[in-house]
Amino acid sequence: AQSVSQHNHHVILSEAASLELGCNYSYGGTVNLFWYVQYPGQHLQLLLKYFSGDPLVKGIKGFEAEFIKSKFSFNLRKPSVQWSDTAEYFCAVSDTGGFKTIFGAGTRLFVKA
Amino acid sequence: SQTIHQWPATLVQPVGSPLSLECTVEGTSNPNLYWYRQAAGRGLQLLFYSVGIGQISSEVPQNLSASRPQDRQFILSSKKLLLSDSGFYLCASSDGRFSSYNEQFFGPGTRLTVL
Repeated sequence: AQSVSQHNHHVILSEAASLELGCNYSYGGTVNLFWYVQYPGQHLQLLLKYFSGDPLVKGIKGFEAEFIKSKFSFNLRKPSVQWSDTAEYFCAVSDTGGFKTIFGAGTRLFVKA
Repeated sequence: SQTIHQWPATLVQPVGSPLSLECTVEGTSNPNLYWYRQAAGRGLQLLFYSVGIGQISSEVPQNLSASRPQDRQFILSSKKLLLSDSGFYLCASSDGRFSSYNEQFFGPGTRLTVL
């Protein structure tokens, strides 16, 4: 069965620090990969997604993620975080032939001003 | 893009009472619809999904059921609530075509407390 593992449940950073959130998935077939974000008091929304092609994908607000197939990883990065990046981040994977998306447990990021 | 409406926003119900949570979708037709339960530190657990009217797939055995009486309406129900049904319930929608490639749009959620 598919599963998604996010390594850090809570991360605290100061503004301008670099961010990397780890995500590993377990699935033997071809997958689509997503990062979603939930800002305080807002709906979950898509940050970025990967289907094929360039393994480095760029999303909104300066975020990017790199797909490393050999490591079954899809880590999220941002060179310099801002206070407004405080949110919960979810990694997710879907089977290219299916209807379901499996979400990780989420990482809560707090950025100190 | 799609807009997902959920109501009520919060609900407090006694154990053994029935439940009906409603979700409606705007901005798309023939979507795939999903019910999730979100628990702190545990991410989103997929409860049900539907690829069309009257078509429901259940992911986990539980005290809940789902129905899709109309194309853009998705209902989560229970005949008798348990304490363990407390949680935050999210409805989501995605374009039905090439569904696995499409992002999901989420509603604001319903906070259910069973006492």
